[in-house]
Amino acid sequence: GQNIDQPTEMTATEGAIVQINCTYQTSGFNGLFWYQQHAGEAPTFLSYNVLDGLEEKGRFSSFLSRSKGYSYLLLKELQMKDSASYLCAVRVRGQAGTALIFGKGTTLSVSS
Amino acid sequence: DTGVSQDPRHKITKRGQNVTFRCDPISEHNRLYWYRQTLGQGPEFLTYFQNEAQLEKSRLLSDRFSAERPKGSFSTLEIQRTEQGDSAMYLCASTPGGRETQYFGPGTRLLVL
Repeated sequence: GQNIDQPTEMTATEGAIVQINCTYQTSGFNGLFWYQQHAGEAPTFLSYNVLDGLEEKGRFSSFLSRSKGYSYLLLKELQMKDSASYLCAVRVRGQAGTALIFGKGTTLSVSS
Repeated sequence: DTGVSQDPRHKITKRGQNVTFRCDPISEHNRLYWYRQTLGQGPEFLTYFQNEAQLEKSRLLSDRFSAERPKGSFSTLEIQRTEQGDSAMYLCASTPGGRETQYFGPGTRLLVL
């Protein structure tokens, strides 16, 4: 079966750094995505990893280790607007539609 | 705005009624996906189209659900004989190809009373 695990909730303070972990057990791995979702809104794309290593994009970085089935999203210089749910999603090869399999999301609360 | 659009944004219906949602993907995106998201969960794949062809359906898509994309542009998702368990956010996403990032619309929030 396909399984993606991430913590349910995390808290942090403005200006801090937070790391959100994601572990997955899937067959036919073909890329990992991170999305941000504010309450009541659609997910918005943050980052994509298909090879091992770190991808950096401004205040956000994402890391992937395919051998360990592990990824993390690193958020630096946290701002209040970063309070949201962060979704880890795996694209699986072999499904005709290359649909994404999502974790349940990590709700991040940033306080001042 | 050239993003994915969905209509309506909110729908309240009574159990047993039929509802239809519309999704307009980003122009020239040939792949269109439907997902369902319930509170506290990540989106779950329902079905996907490549142009007008519906290429895959999840087992979540019972026979009360039907989706179409008649001209390879917009898509509709119909739920017949709605049940309270159908209450969820229905999300549409599009991508220019299978290996590209999926971009999501704002969703249609359905409440079945």
